[in-house]
Amino acid sequence: QQQVKQSPQSLIVQKGGISIINCAYENTAFDYFPWYQQFPGKGPALLIAIRPDVSEKKEGRFTISFNKSAKQFSLHIMDSQPGDSATYFCAASGQAGTALIFGKGTTLSVSS
Amino acid sequence: DGGITQSPKYLFRKEGQNVTLSCEQNLNHDAMYWYRQDPGQGLRLIYYSQIVNDFQKGDIAEGYSVSREKKESFPLTVTSAQKNPTAFYLCASSPPGSFNHEQYFGPGTRLTVT
Repeated sequence: QQQVKQSPQSLIVQKGGISIINCAYENTAFDYFPWYQQFPGKGPALLIAIRPDVSEKKEGRFTISFNKSAKQFSLHIMDSQPGDSATYFCAASGQAGTALIFGKGTTLSVSS
Repeated sequence: DGGITQSPKYLFRKEGQNVTLSCEQNLNHDAMYWYRQDPGQGLRLIYYSQIVNDFQKGDIAEGYSVSREKKESFPLTVTSAQKNPTAFYLCASSPPGSFNHEQYFGPGTRLTVT
């Protein structure tokens, strides 16, 4: 019940295309859903996060879509660029000391 | 510049030796965390600390120890009891009021034990 399942494991997208990464969770106590971007050899950087009281959040080319009833959330990267090539992690956490649980990551390659 | 620093970036040790990884932050964050990252495994929580002189075990604490004597510092010791210590170690911290929510990561230390 503590797992966050992320798919796909890897993704290849053409420059200018839309990249979509999906995550699913079981624990209904989760109330915070961030996405992190990590370049090789670097620490993850917080990209965008959402709370379950909204169904969508957009920041520039990055959008989180959240479906509370399905217990799923996804990251959409519009107009994908080669510089977006990185590993993306979804995560989830809740109140009462629930630790931030990470998905296993998606390696995105944007071809030029 | 405010941020989280981890040193060194690369660390090599012989099997059987204890090794301490440094993590310092000047963000005035209360909570700090240590994660281990292995290829294809995501990030797994080793230890976390919400306040000075207090810390809690995460999912994979065996073979590790920490201390939190100062708000700014949260060093991790990888002991000889850790069976598979070679990994990328990441330190993170959370702003006040954001425990287990917003987390900001340092650049990581890659530890290789042979």
